[in-house]
Amino acid sequence: QSALTQPASVSGSPGQSITISCTGTSSDVDDYNYVSWYQQHPGKAPKLMIYEVSNRPSGVPDRFSGSKSGNTASLTISGLQAEDEADYYCNSYTSSSTLWVFGGGTKLTVL
Amino acid sequence: QVQLVESGGGAVQPGTSLRLSCAASGFTFSGNGMHWVRQAPGKGLEWVALIWYDGSKKYYADSVKGRFTISRDNSRNTLFLQMNSLRVDDTAVYYCARLYGVYLIDYWGQGTLVTVSS
Repeated sequence: QSALTQPASVSGSPGQSITISCTGTSSDVDDYNYVSWYQQHPGKAPKLMIYEVSNRPSGVPDRFSGSKSGNTASLTISGLQAEDEADYYCNSYTSSSTLWVFGGGTKLTVL
Repeated sequence: QVQLVESGGGAVQPGTSLRLSCAASGFTFSGNGMHWVRQAPGKGLEWVALIWYDGSKKYYADSVKGRFTISRDNSRNTLFLQMNSLRVDDTAVYYCARLYGVYLIDYWGQGTLVTVSS
């Protein structure tokens, strides 16, 4: 069981918006603004899409945005495109002995 | 650009050992902490270990503590993971990843597959 809870799957049609949630605890998401989101295509390495809750690395489209409220972080993708179909993982620093925790991953299907 | 290339994976029997390597390029290796993160087949990501930029501090997930050892050779820009007493549930793709600053995992390698099976 993963430390952070994500929905197993979400879907949307091209052009639509979707939001993926990531629920943690007072030891991680609620206590630190060190939430990151990664995109992973099959057989590929994870790619950083959002860091420190809402910041985008250079080169990541502004269709990707992040936010946080309490112990739940969210990734929103607007204007869905076919190439957005992938697995998405959230990650947070934690004060527990684990230090870094990941969500179980969410499979995004673009219909 | 940042490149991380893992090697050393393979198929081994339970109870045996394996050493993974990660060759880094495109950045000042000695200036960044480095992680190992693994992904079991069809599963999510699991943080395994972290080593500080100078090797002075090391941290491990409870699931590997006492069995795995992370180390680095800054003169060779290489990260290592020595895995002893391997178990079936250690089967996974192992990624090395860069620590940016204190909290951010930014770049990942392509991973190397470790299969533990009798």
